[in-house]
Amino acid sequence: DTAVSQTPKYLVTQMGNDKSIKCEQNLGHDTMYWYKQDSKKFLKIMFSYNNKELIINETVPNRFSPKSPDKAHLNLHINSLELGDSAVYFCASSPESRGPNEKLFFGSGTQLSVL
Amino acid sequence: DAKTTQPNSMESNEEEPVHLPCNHSTISGTDYIHWYRQLPSQGPEYVIHGLTSNVNNRMASLAIAEDRKSSTLILHRATLRDAAVYYCILRSGTSYGKLTFGQGTILTVHP
Repeated sequence: DTAVSQTPKYLVTQMGNDKSIKCEQNLGHDTMYWYKQDSKKFLKIMFSYNNKELIINETVPNRFSPKSPDKAHLNLHINSLELGDSAVYFCASSPESRGPNEKLFFGSGTQLSVL
Repeated sequence: DAKTTQPNSMESNEEEPVHLPCNHSTISGTDYIHWYRQLPSQGPEYVIHGLTSNVNNRMASLAIAEDRKSSTLILHRATLRDAAVYYCILRSGTSYGKLTFGQGTILTVHP
C-alpha cells in the first residue's frame, strides 16, 4: 500500500482554469504538507496542517487554498491557474509537526502543466 | 534555518563507496543534520539524520565532524538505484516541518 498517495499524477490544463490535487496518507500521521518543486528543481514548502489546522502558510498566493477534511487528507485547490503555476507539487506527512527528529514522508508528486 | 553547501554533482562507480560532503558552518547547537534523497520522478525520501555522533542505518552512514560544521553521507556500496539528488538539511526544534531544501548533489552512478 502506498503510504502517501496523490492524484492525479499528471494534470494538464488551460490558463484561468480551477483545479484540485488530492492527497491521502495511511500512516496515521498528524501533520501533512504541500511542497512545490519548480523548473529549477528547488523544493519549497507551501502549507502545513496539523490535525486539520493550518500551521504554515508560506507567502503563497491566495489562489491556492488547502483543505483538510480530516487528518489523513490534505487537498490543494488552485483557482485561476497561471503559467507560473506549472511545477511538480508534492504532498508529505509526518508523525508530528515539530521537533528535530521529525521525518517527512513524501508522495510521488503531481506534475501540473498550465498551457 | 542555517544554510548548507553541497557540491553540485558527484560521480561514482557501482559497488564503490560514495562520500557526499555537506558544509554547515553556521549550524546552531540544537540543529540536527538530516539527509534526504530524490530519485528520478519521485518525491524526496528520508535517508538519515544525526546531532553529534556518527549514525548508521540500513541505507547509509552519517559522519559528523567534531565541530559540527560539516558532515558526510556515506553510501558503502553504491548501486545504480542510488543515483539521485541528495539533500543535506538542518532541522531545528522550531521549524514545524519546514524542510529548507538547497540545490543538493546530483549523484551519478556508473555501471
